[in-house]
Amino acid sequence: EVQLVESGGGLVKPGGSLRLSCAASGFTFSSYNMNWVRQAPGKGLEWVSSISSSSSFIYYADSVRGRFTISRDNAKNSVYLQMNSLRAEDTAVYYCAPRGEPSHWYFDLWGRGTLVTVSS
Amino acid sequence: QSALTQPASVSGSPGQSITISCTGTSSDIGYYNYVSWYQQHPGKAPELMIYDVSHRPSGVSNRFSGSKSGNTASLTISGLQAEDEADYFCSSYTSSSTFVFGTGTKVTVL
Repeated sequence: EVQLVESGGGLVKPGGSLRLSCAASGFTFSSYNMNWVRQAPGKGLEWVSSISSSSSFIYYADSVRGRFTISRDNAKNSVYLQMNSLRAEDTAVYYCAPRGEPSHWYFDLWGRGTLVTVSS
Repeated sequence: QSALTQPASVSGSPGQSITISCTGTSSDIGYYNYVSWYQQHPGKAPELMIYDVSHRPSGVSNRFSGSKSGNTASLTISGLQAEDEADYFCSSYTSSSTFVFGTGTKVTVL
C-alpha cells in the first residue's frame, strides 16, 4: 500500500524554525521527484518546492526561496523541508507529493499533511 | 508565480453540466500541455481528477473531462451529482520548472 506520512508540524513563533519530514512507502521512492505543497487555512493550494530523484534539481516558490531548504534521503525513503525565518503567512497544512519522473507532471499521491502554525 | 485564476464558485442542479475555467499565462498553461485538476472535500487531501489537460486517472468517473485553449484550461463535470460538491483546483507546470495552482472553485450542487 502506498503511504506518505508527514510529520514535524506544530506551533512556532515568527522568526523561528521547523523541520518537516515525509516518510514514503509502497513505491520506489528513489525514482520519484518529491514536492511540498501547502494550504493555508480556508485557502487554496500553493506549490512550495521540489527535489529530483537524485537531488540534482531543486526548485522553490518565490515566497519561500532563501528561507526553506528541501532535501531527501533515498536510503530512508524520506524527504524533508527545513523552514527558517518563519512568518505568519507560512501557517498552513504542508503536504508531500511525489511526482513520477521523467514524464508525470501532476500529483496523484498525497499524504494527510502536517499543520504548521506560526504565531506569537 | 501568480496563482492561476478560477471562479470562486460554480453551482448546478443534479444532472446538469458545469464548467470551471482556469486562466493562466503563456508561461504556464499556454506553455505546456501539463494542466491537472484536483478535487478536495473538506478536511481531506486533494485527489487527482484530470492530468495532461484531458486524461483521466483510472477510477475517476468519465463525467469529468478537461480541455485547453490558449492560456485557459477548463474542467467540465457532466451529470452533476451530490458527491461532486467540493473544491476544485487547477494546476500547471511552468516554463520555470515550477508548478502553479489555481485560486480554487467551490462547486455547489443545488
